[in-house]
Amino acid sequence: DIQMTQSPSSLSASVGDRITITCRANQTILDYLCWLQKRPGRPPNLLIYAASTLQSGVPSRIIGSGSGTEFTLTINSLQPEDFGTYYCQQSYSIPLTFGGGTKVEIK
Amino acid sequence: VQLVQSGAEVKKPGASVKVSCKASGYSFTTYYIHWMRQAPGQGLEWMGLINPNAGNINYAQKFQGRVTMTRDTSTSTVYMELRSLTSEDTAIYYCARTFYTDGYNLDYWGQGTLITVSS
Repeated sequence: DIQMTQSPSSLSASVGDRITITCRANQTILDYLCWLQKRPGRPPNLLIYAASTLQSGVPSRIIGSGSGTEFTLTINSLQPEDFGTYYCQQSYSIPLTFGGGTKVEIK
Repeated sequence: VQLVQSGAEVKKPGASVKVSCKASGYSFTTYYIHWMRQAPGQGLEWMGLINPNAGNINYAQKFQGRVTMTRDTSTSTVYMELRSLTSEDTAIYYCARTFYTDGYNLDYWGQGTLITVSS
């Protein structure tokens, strides 16, 4: 199974800040990497697929980058609706595996 | 596109539970359906997938022998049955779809079904 490691596990930031979350795979997954946001009481929401492609309806201040084994999610100008937990997920092979999550709190 | 899951259930240890996921708004046989779960305070865990077209299945090793996924193409519904429940199975269970090619991108999710296992 492909192991996904995220950092940090949590962060606190103010509205307007830029935040960056890192995800690493223990083997190459090319660009088969997704980012999802999970908010309490809601199902996960796909933000980015293929490492850098925005899902329809996702604001352009959310940016994904990386390939191979290292990936980054950047959120520019953090908004109140950005709170929640972010998960990376490799979409390369079965079994699908997720990072441990990064909890984003708004100061 | 909608994936609508069955409602919350409370089960006793040792029992079984069957959760449904009814798809609408797209071609049911063109997308795989996956099942994930999230236990309280934990992350997301993939359980397996079913191909509604051919019916072939792939289960996570952890759940082999204890889970069964089936589909009913006449109602565009997928089912996930989990047996021999323990308190460790208390979680929210989600179904989600991925296109059959070009990466397993979980683009639409069901609303989740809370399964509580308690004596």
